[in-house]
Amino acid sequence: QKEVEQNSGPLSVPEGAIASLNCTYSDRVSQSFFWYRQYSGKSPELIMSIYSNGDKEDGRFTAQLNKASQYVSLLIRDSQPSDSATYLCAVNMLYGGSQGNLIFGKGTKLSVKP
Amino acid sequence: GAVVSQHPSRVICKSGTSVKIECRSLDFQATTMFWYRQFPKKSLMLMATSNEGSKATYEQGVEKDKFLINHASLTLSTLTVTSAHPEDSSFYICGGKGNNEQFFGPGTRLTVL
Repeated sequence: QKEVEQNSGPLSVPEGAIASLNCTYSDRVSQSFFWYRQYSGKSPELIMSIYSNGDKEDGRFTAQLNKASQYVSLLIRDSQPSDSATYLCAVNMLYGGSQGNLIFGKGTKLSVKP
Repeated sequence: GAVVSQHPSRVICKSGTSVKIECRSLDFQATTMFWYRQFPKKSLMLMATSNEGSKATYEQGVEKDKFLINHASLTLSTLTVTSAHPEDSSFYICGGKGNNEQFFGPGTRLTVL
């Protein structure tokens, strides 16, 4: 079974705090991991991709990957109200005839309070 | 990131009519394009994967005769919702794969009366 699991939230953090979003996946051989941000009524926007174990930083965003634990996370530092959105974790799964398609989690809704 | 456009952004039609949605990759060639549907407050649901010049691969439960997909070139894929019904009202989003990353179009909101 291809699965990507996320806590649906809502996750509420105060402005300026660190928001931590978590994702687990079932396919042990997955190689590519992505975080998308989706504002209400809009389509998803790619914000981070990560392919190897460890941390990857881009501005206020840090993606963390632990393949042994099948776990990927996204940290948002200095959270702003404009970060309030649903964050989708996506994993490129390679088994079961999925053609390497992205499998999406259901998303975590983040709310940053001013 | 790469740019994917979608047209129209919003369409309202009568029940029984057909609606065509275009998806274009503007600055990259997408050998594979994806079509998703999203109902309010629900997650993305992959409908089908289309490869340039070949038939689309539909996900289980998606009627291929109702949702016609054509991927005639490396930059254009179309989705036609045939004989639309009110239950087809949804947010349709296309995606294109370039450089191992997938980028989404802005979406088309379909309302069938």
